[in-house]
Amino acid sequence: DTGVSQNPRHKITKRGQNVTFRCDPISEHNRLYWYRQTLGQGPEFLTYFQNEAQLEKSRLLSDRFSAERPKGSFSTLEIQRTEQGDSAMYLCASSLVRGTSGRLYEQYFGPGTRLTVT
Amino acid sequence: AQSVAQPEDQVNVAEGNPLTVKCTYSVSGNPYLFWYVQYPNRGLQFLLKYITGDNLVKGSYGFEAEFNKSQTSFHLKKPSALVSDSALYFCAVRDMNSGAGSYQLTFGKGTKLSVIP
Repeated sequence: DTGVSQNPRHKITKRGQNVTFRCDPISEHNRLYWYRQTLGQGPEFLTYFQNEAQLEKSRLLSDRFSAERPKGSFSTLEIQRTEQGDSAMYLCASSLVRGTSGRLYEQYFGPGTRLTVT
Repeated sequence: AQSVAQPEDQVNVAEGNPLTVKCTYSVSGNPYLFWYVQYPNRGLQFLLKYITGDNLVKGSYGFEAEFNKSQTSFHLKKPSALVSDSALYFCAVRDMNSGAGSYQLTFGKGTKLSVIP
């Protein structure tokens, strides 16, 4: 399977603990996005990378949230001092941005990491 | 700011009947519109997109969508529904608040489609 993968699929943590999620995009994709999805809502954009550069991070929900993509391949999303309101599905997506190809705009999503904060 | 509205939380349709899942949008400038489907415990799967060109867009699994600029709508359609089409459907628009080179999406709340055998 050469799709987007995310690990872990489920994470249960206690309030105040730090958590880190990993996303492995489709190998040739240079764009990587993080979204959060809460129950009954559509995904909400958090941040994105072009290769290793984080080009948009103003939508991260608070300074407890941070993301990295150190070598332009996989990415991690960390939440420090988790709160119960952080419980959600965290989705990663990747896409290829190159010239004016029609495939420029399609994002491919991973299965998500479901976080439960108790 | 751009927004997407999916006015129906749930749509029920009998197997074999045509289905429509509604989406309206609000953006400044030309919209880039998408439909995704989400099955339980799985990520979103891309169905189709409208960037420019023909107003009727054909996508995966027999789905199509009609872009209507005057009504600011992008309804998802299928001529004959299958039980396996039962899932959560999301309409999305390119987020225009970010830079010209960014393509993150603003999603609607989703519509649950139930196809009844």
